[in-house]
Amino acid sequence: GNSVTQMEGPVTLSEEAFLTINCTYTATGYPSLFWYVQYPGEGLQLLLKATKADDKGSNKGFEATYRKETTSFHLEKGSVQVSDSAVYFCALSGATNKLIFGTGTLLAVQP
Amino acid sequence: DGGITQSPKYLFRKEGQNVTLSCEQNLNHDAMYWYRQDPGQGLRLIYYSQIVNDFQKGDIAEGYSVSREKKESFPLTVTSAQKNPTAFYLCASSIVRGSGNQPQHFGDGTRLSIL
Repeated sequence: GNSVTQMEGPVTLSEEAFLTINCTYTATGYPSLFWYVQYPGEGLQLLLKATKADDKGSNKGFEATYRKETTSFHLEKGSVQVSDSAVYFCALSGATNKLIFGTGTLLAVQP
Repeated sequence: DGGITQSPKYLFRKEGQNVTLSCEQNLNHDAMYWYRQDPGQGLRLIYYSQIVNDFQKGDIAEGYSVSREKKESFPLTVTSAQKNPTAFYLCASSIVRGSGNQPQHFGDGTRLSIL
């Protein structure tokens, strides 16, 4: 079945450091891929998405590229801020529109 | 502003009691979803509905029930049969398109605890 694996946290960085959160997936067919962010006590917000191979999703300085050859969708940001501290979820969606989530990665950015 | 409203934000349940969590959306989305979030386990799908008066079980439907009488509303009942109901519950909605590339929009969640 479809599944998503993302790196365990917490990831602790200093402000302005480079961020990578790894995400790999297993799926039949051609899923769409998403990154969601969850701030404390809130629901999930869509951060970015990619719907086909080699697409790059980007938003608020975050980027992720849909790599079919490595079944990966790693999240990157060149310079993190304290306000980026949150839990990040990688997810995939097949033809049924149901989302399969990874377990989430907690990012803590220190000033 | 369009969005998803979940209420209440915090809910307490006594042993043996059923409780209902509310979810309302004004995004005109056809599909609605309920997820359960536990620490370290990500989100797990409880029930989903792609059209009024129809819904399907997700991965962990036991001990839960839903209804979809209106497009805007998808309430979740946590029954006494759910032995470990303490969790954060998230409702979501989306457009339905065959390609599966539509993102889901989430409410702010309801935190349910056992007294």
